[in-house]
Amino acid sequence: QSVLTQPPSVSGAPGQRVTISCTGSSSNFGAGSDVHWYQQLPGTAPKLLIYGNNNRPSGVPDRFSGSKSGTSASLAISGLQAEDEADYYCQSYDNTLSAWVFGGGTKLTVL
Amino acid sequence: EVQLVETGGGLIQPGGSLRLSCAASGFTVSSSYMSWVRQAPGKALEWVSVIYSGGRTYYADSVKGRFTISRDNSKNTLYLQMNSLRAEDTAVYYCARDLGCTSTTCRNKWFDPWGQGTLVTVSS
Repeated sequence: QSVLTQPPSVSGAPGQRVTISCTGSSSNFGAGSDVHWYQQLPGTAPKLLIYGNNNRPSGVPDRFSGSKSGTSASLAISGLQAEDEADYYCQSYDNTLSAWVFGGGTKLTVL
Repeated sequence: EVQLVETGGGLIQPGGSLRLSCAASGFTVSSSYMSWVRQAPGKALEWVSVIYSGGRTYYADSVKGRFTISRDNSKNTLYLQMNSLRAEDTAVYYCARDLGCTSTTCRNKWFDPWGQGTLVTVSS
């Protein structure tokens, strides 16, 4: 059971916009810890998608955006494409655990 | 190009030991912060350990006292020595470079890039 809670799955049709939530607590997001997001395509290593709440590394399309407010964060994907089908993980730091933590992951299905 | 390549995984009996290696190219391991992250089959990612450029190391409670992170500056390589292995250590182990540390804290760091991972299976 992760301290960062994500929905197990989300889905959307090509071209649509989907959001993936990541719910934390006062010991991580609420304590000021940033959120970062990773995309893991089937059978591959995770890849950085968003860092520092809302920053995209070079090469990541601007269809991907992140936000954080209070004890929650979210990843938005607009103009959904078939190649976006993957697992998505949020990551932060937890003061209580004194450890960097990941959410349980969300599987995105493009219908 | 910044790249990480892990090796050393395999099948090991419970109670056994294994050493994973992570060869880096395109940057210097000794001046970087480096982590190991694992992923059990069908499960989420779990941070395992970090080594700072100054040599300080930290571990997740689940591996503390059993795993040791280290590096060989001459080989630009990161290691994870895993002892007293348990079935619950079965996972793909990834090495990753840490970014986002400041002069005072690594609290808001992220991991980029990641290696391709190496599978460790602990089973009799």
